[in-house]
Amino acid sequence: QKEVEQNSGPLSVPEGAIASLNCTYSDRVSQSFFWYRQYSGKSPELIMSIYSNGDKEDGRFTAQLNKASQYVSLLIRDSQPSDSATYLCAVLRSNQFYFGTGTSLTVIP
Amino acid sequence: SQTIHQWPATLVQPVGSPLSLECTVEGTSNPNLYWYRQAAGRGLQLLFYSVGIGQISSEVPQNLSASRPQDRQFILSSKKLLLSDSGFYLCAWSTGGEAFFGQGTRLTVV
Repeated sequence: QKEVEQNSGPLSVPEGAIASLNCTYSDRVSQSFFWYRQYSGKSPELIMSIYSNGDKEDGRFTAQLNKASQYVSLLIRDSQPSDSATYLCAVLRSNQFYFGTGTSLTVIP
Repeated sequence: SQTIHQWPATLVQPVGSPLSLECTVEGTSNPNLYWYRQAAGRGLQLLFYSVGIGQISSEVPQNLSASRPQDRQFILSSKKLLLSDSGFYLCAWSTGGEAFFGQGTRLTVV
């Protein structure tokens, strides 16, 4: 079983819509969770971090964490073409970051 | 503010040649340092991580090695490259929370 699993997509949404990205993790002791955005050919950049159950909002982005279900999600409201990228989910456990394989998102103008 | 430098940005090396990639972090002390590899269209594979000078943990058996000669310097090396070593190599740092990545080195072994 993989540490972190994501639907690879591709996910396509029209401009202005809400994009929903999902992630599950296998180890219950994981405490810290992150979403990264990676444009083609570039390195990942941090979008959101979340450490406790519930929602965390930052601008158009909302991260949701449910530790009981071992589930993390990212919502992108008012999606823009510039949001088209691969989104990586990551968990931190014992000083190691475990990444999912990423979900490719395309926002259609 | 903290910054991370990774070089070179691109590298083309013949099979069997040596490799040295360097990463340095500025603006923080005693960071955790990481080397990842990303094959085309794939996720991030953790290669090595370090929690302090001289302390290296290896995640994947391979012909690569890592060293941390100074607090904020992390080096990835190989004595003889294989074709399968091609990929996008990323250095990252963390002080217990989020990880921040360098710009990456795209290595092509020919």
